[in-house]
Amino acid sequence: GQQVMQIPQYQHVQEGEDFTTYCNSSTTLSNIQWYKQRPGGHPVFLIQLVKSGEVKKQKRLTFQFGEAKKNSSLHITATQTTDVGTYFCAALNSGGGADGLTFGKGTHLIIQP
Amino acid sequence: DAGITQSPRYKITETGRQVTLMCHQTWSHSYMFWYRQDLGHGLRLIYYSAAADITDKGEVPDGYVVSRSKTENFPLTLESATRSQTSVYFCASKRAGISGANVLTFGAGSRLTVL
Repeated sequence: GQQVMQIPQYQHVQEGEDFTTYCNSSTTLSNIQWYKQRPGGHPVFLIQLVKSGEVKKQKRLTFQFGEAKKNSSLHITATQTTDVGTYFCAALNSGGGADGLTFGKGTHLIIQP
Repeated sequence: DAGITQSPRYKITETGRQVTLMCHQTWSHSYMFWYRQDLGHGLRLIYYSAAADITDKGEVPDGYVVSRSKTENFPLTLESATRSQTSVYFCASKRAGISGANVLTFGAGSRLTVL
């Protein structure tokens, strides 16, 4: 099945520093989604990228989809304590979404005040 | 807007017992999914369903059974629980149809401990 590799697994930053997580696939993806899970919570959809080279922004969050549609990144500028959590990328399974998404293992963002 | 609810939120059971985790959604979404989340493994798909009475295996189905007699409910049963099934279980749903509709909405999760 679909596989997406996500790095790093853990990232410690000082509050105010930037943060980036990367997602890579060996195959071309139809789209990529990003989810955030707060500690003790459930994954919540952030954004979906569809087009090659697409860049989307949500306030301090910038999402990119690679030109070859095999990689993606999430960058947070000037992290805040509210950004703490695990960030997952996810790709459609071969059934075009009917059979769900394959998630990366996630990047745990730990912020030190 | 009740959304998607899971019960129980926490469950402790013993090896060999049968456990059923419930999932209910109020949106009439066609698709429903069960994932388990374990440290180091992220989210892994157990079973999914495209509609009532249609279910299929995901990545890690062994030891689990599902049913979907009604669109809104998608229970997950561990027929004989094992310690390796200690995990957090998430139910999710998504609507059918148009492009961009592959977004999953997750329930709050059910934390299961098997002793």
